[in-house]
Amino acid sequence: AQKITQTQPGMFVQEKEAVTLDCTYDTSDQSYGLFWYKQPSSGEMIFLIYQGSYDEQNATEGRYSLNFQKARKSANLVISASQLGDSAMYFCAMREGNRNTGFQKLVFGTGTRLLVSP
Amino acid sequence: NAGVTQTPKFQVLKTGQSMTLQCAQDMNHNSMYWYRQDPGMGLRLIYYSASEGTTDKGEVPNGYNVSRLNKREFSLRLESAAPSQTSVYFCASSEGYGSGYEQYFGPGTRLTVT
Repeated sequence: AQKITQTQPGMFVQEKEAVTLDCTYDTSDQSYGLFWYKQPSSGEMIFLIYQGSYDEQNATEGRYSLNFQKARKSANLVISASQLGDSAMYFCAMREGNRNTGFQKLVFGTGTRLLVSP
Repeated sequence: NAGVTQTPKFQVLKTGQSMTLQCAQDMNHNSMYWYRQDPGMGLRLIYYSASEGTTDKGEVPNGYNVSRLNKREFSLRLESAAPSQTSVYFCASSEGYGSGYEQYFGPGTRLTVT
C-alpha cells in the first residue's frame, strides 16, 4: 500500500505567488514524522521542513510552511512568495518506525515537479 | 565539514560487471542509508545501517550488498550488474532516530548498466 501519496506530478506558479504541494500519508503509528525535501536539477536532496505527529502547531521555516491536518492525514507544503530558484522536484517523506528494533527510516512519495515562471 | 560524500559521481557498467559505490560522512552520525531513485518512483530504500556494525534490508535489496566499514563509511556493492540497476544512487546519514531527525544526502551517483 502506498504510504505517501503526492497526486500532483507537476505544478506551475508565477513568481511571487504562493503554491501548495499536496501530500497524504498512511500510517497506523501514533508517533511519526513528516518531511519535505527539495531536489533541484543539480540532483542533491535538500531538507526543507519537518512536522512531528504530536506537534500542535504547523511547522514553518522561512517561506516554507507545512499545513498539517492529522485527521485527514495530510501534510501539504506551502511555499509563499515563490522565487525562480524554487523550481525543482519536491518530495514528501514519512518517518516510519520498526516496533521491534525501534529503528526508523524514511519512506518517500513520488514527488511533484514545481515550475516557477517569471 | 564535507557532509556526505559519494564516489564515483558517474559510472557506466556492462551487464555482469561488479562495482562498489562508496559513501562517507563526517558528521558523526550513527545511521546511514542507501537509496535508489528511478523516474516516477521517488526514492526507495535499498539497505540501511542503524548503527556501526549493523545492516538491514530496505524495500529493494535484491542484487545489492552493503558493508558498514566503520562509523563513517557505508558502501554499496553490485556483484553482477543488470540493466534494471540503472538508476541514481543516494547515500544518506542521520544522527539516529527521534523527533525531528533528518537525513542528510550525498550528491548521488548516476549509474548506467548497458
